[in-house]
Amino acid sequence: GQNIDQPTEMTATEGAIVQINCTYQTSGFNGLFWYQQHAGEAPTFLSYNVLDGLEEKGRFSSFLSRSKGYSYLLLKELQMKDSASYLCAVRDPNAGKSTFGDGTTLTVKP
Amino acid sequence: NAGVTQTPKFRVLKTGQSMTLLCAQDMNHEYMYWYRQDPGMGLRLIHYSVGEGTTAKGEVPDGYNVSRLKKQNFLLGLESAAPSQTSVYFCASSPTGEIEKLFFGSGTQLSVL
Repeated sequence: GQNIDQPTEMTATEGAIVQINCTYQTSGFNGLFWYQQHAGEAPTFLSYNVLDGLEEKGRFSSFLSRSKGYSYLLLKELQMKDSASYLCAVRDPNAGKSTFGDGTTLTVKP
Repeated sequence: NAGVTQTPKFRVLKTGQSMTLLCAQDMNHEYMYWYRQDPGMGLRLIHYSVGEGTTAKGEVPDGYNVSRLKKQNFLLGLESAAPSQTSVYFCASSPTGEIEKLFFGSGTQLSVL
């Protein structure tokens, strides 16, 4: 099975940098991805890591260490609109099945 | 290009009633999924499909059935609704070459009384 852990809540200040961690223990692994979900809305895709290292996309970066079962999402130059839930998910080698963590609710304050 | 469309957006059922949630995508995606999301929790996979005519069980399939008769449609059925099925249901699809990139519908809020 899959076990994915993320902090439940985080708070940060506008303009700052925040790192959201995700650890996983899985029977199989074929990639880790991050989604953003604003309250009352559907999740939207942010990033996907299948190899170790850092993937950068504008203000957002995602890091993966497969040997440690660890990933983080880094958000730079925080904006108020970044207040949302961030979901970490691991893809099962049995293509089509992915397990999501419970999400981290990020609140950005002025 | 509508993407992924779910109907209805809201529904209230009484215990024991049945209903079908409809999901349609116009992106020619092979993979389609049904998730449920309970307050403060992540998404849990109910059933999924890797192509027309195929379905498979996810993490929490009990009490639900699905059908994928056409590539663009994925139906989720509740035969006898229970209060434990009160949740927000999301349909999603993904293309073959990028199955990690899920495109979600706007969700269905279902309440079972």
